[in-house]
Amino acid sequence: DIQMTQSPSSLSASVGDRVTITCQASQDISNYLNWYQQKPGKAPKLLIYDASNLETGVPSRFSGSGSGTDFTFTISSLQPEDIATYYCQQYDNPVFTFGPGTKVDIK
Amino acid sequence: QVTLRESGPALVKPTQTLTLTCTFSGFSLSTSGMCVSWIRQPPGKALEWLARIDWDDDKYYSTSLKTRLTISKDTSKNQVVLTMTNMDPVDTATYYCARMDGDYRFDPWGQGTLVTVSS
Repeated sequence: DIQMTQSPSSLSASVGDRVTITCQASQDISNYLNWYQQKPGKAPKLLIYDASNLETGVPSRFSGSGSGTDFTFTISSLQPEDIATYYCQQYDNPVFTFGPGTKVDIK
Repeated sequence: QVTLRESGPALVKPTQTLTLTCTFSGFSLSTSGMCVSWIRQPPGKALEWLARIDWDDDKYYSTSLKTRLTISKDTSKNQVVLTMTNMDPVDTATYYCARMDGDYRFDPWGQGTLVTVSS
C-alpha cells in the first residue's frame, strides 16, 4: 500500500502568518490527493480535492498544489478559527490512505 | 442536504463482533458512482480507512483488516452496515462513515461514534 508522510507533525504560528504543510506519497499518485481539516471533537471536513481544487464554500486563504509524490497545503493568512489538525489523503484504487496529520495552533 | 449518522454499541468486549450502521439521507446508494466508506480514528491518532461499498455492490477493504471486515448495504433503508470480528482493545476508536460521489474524496462525514473495546 502507498504510505503518506506529512511534515511538520505540529506547528505554532501567529495570526496572519503564512502556514505551509507538506505531504509526500511513497509512490506516484498523480493528483489523487485531498486535504481535510479536523477540529477537536468534530468530524473531518474536506478543504481541497484533486491536489489543488478548493471545495465549495471553503475560504480562499486555503490552497493546495503538487502532483506525483510531493504536495503542499497552504494557509495564506492564519486565522484563529483555523486551529485544527490537517490530514492529506490519497487514493490508489481501490485503497485510501491518510497522512499522520499536522496539528496547527496559534502562537 | 446530505447527512450521515453512525450508530452502534459504545462498548464491546474483546473477541466480540462489532456491528455498526450508517444511516444516510439526501442521496441514494443506487445512483451510479455513489459510494460509502467507513473510516476510524483511535483517540489522539490519525484517520484510517476501513472499507467501501459502491452503488453496484462492489466492496473494497483495508489490506491490513480485510479478514475481519464485512460491509453491506440496504438501499431501501438508506443504510450501510460494517461488521468487524474479533475486536481487540486496539480497535477502540471513533468510527465514521462518509459519502463518495463519483470521485475519490470523502464528503460529507457523519459525526462519528466512539467504540470502546474493554472487558
